[in-house]
Amino acid sequence: KAGVTQTPRYLIKTRGQQVTLSCSPISGHRSVSWYQQTPGQGLQFLFEYFSETQRNKGNFPGRFSGRQFSNSRSEMNVSTLELGDSALYLCASRGSARETQYFGPGTRLLVL
Amino acid sequence: KQEVTQIPAALSVPEGENLVLNCSFTDSAIYNLQWFRQDPGKGLTSLLLIQSSQREQTSGRLNASLDKSSGRSTLYIAASQPGDSATYLCAVLELNNQGGKLIFGQGTELSVKP
Repeated sequence: KAGVTQTPRYLIKTRGQQVTLSCSPISGHRSVSWYQQTPGQGLQFLFEYFSETQRNKGNFPGRFSGRQFSNSRSEMNVSTLELGDSALYLCASRGSARETQYFGPGTRLLVL
Repeated sequence: KQEVTQIPAALSVPEGENLVLNCSFTDSAIYNLQWFRQDPGKGLTSLLLIQSSQREQTSGRLNASLDKSSGRSTLYIAASQPGDSATYLCAVLELNNQGGKLIFGQGTELSVKP
């Protein structure tokens, strides 16, 4: 089974721009979650999607949004980028709640 | 609010040593607990998953225990090897009718010297 894939792997943007990140979950997994990892804050939960519905949202501003498509692929969008948005963005998928969450390799975003 | 703490933040050991990494959490209402490994600049690799009703899980040289009542988990690594050098993260899954989210500790950076 192919693992979780994320594109692009690296991105450089300037302040004020917007960015869209993509995540393809493991085949059959309907739950997709997004996390932000920074040296200062560690790993923080952004949101979770299940069957195209956002089920849970972390404590991030409205500039961070996402969606999930009928094939379970998910996108995350960050508008009006700030320097502090520079981070590794990780996507994870799982089957049921009892199962392991599998993470993708991440997208490293640098905001200049 | 759930908080997850990992001690120590960094650990350096000679090859062959057995070692224990610690994880504590403040709210025992967890669904499960996972241990992950992260190599520099990479994503997370799942090592072990312990359901809230379980006490321990084993995989090869790794053994993870869970004591929900005291809010603690340990990851035991036997006969450490240089290839075990990485950051180890524990995370608890909080689940409610709005979905689930993992809450992570800050990690323990492990260095195994040849």
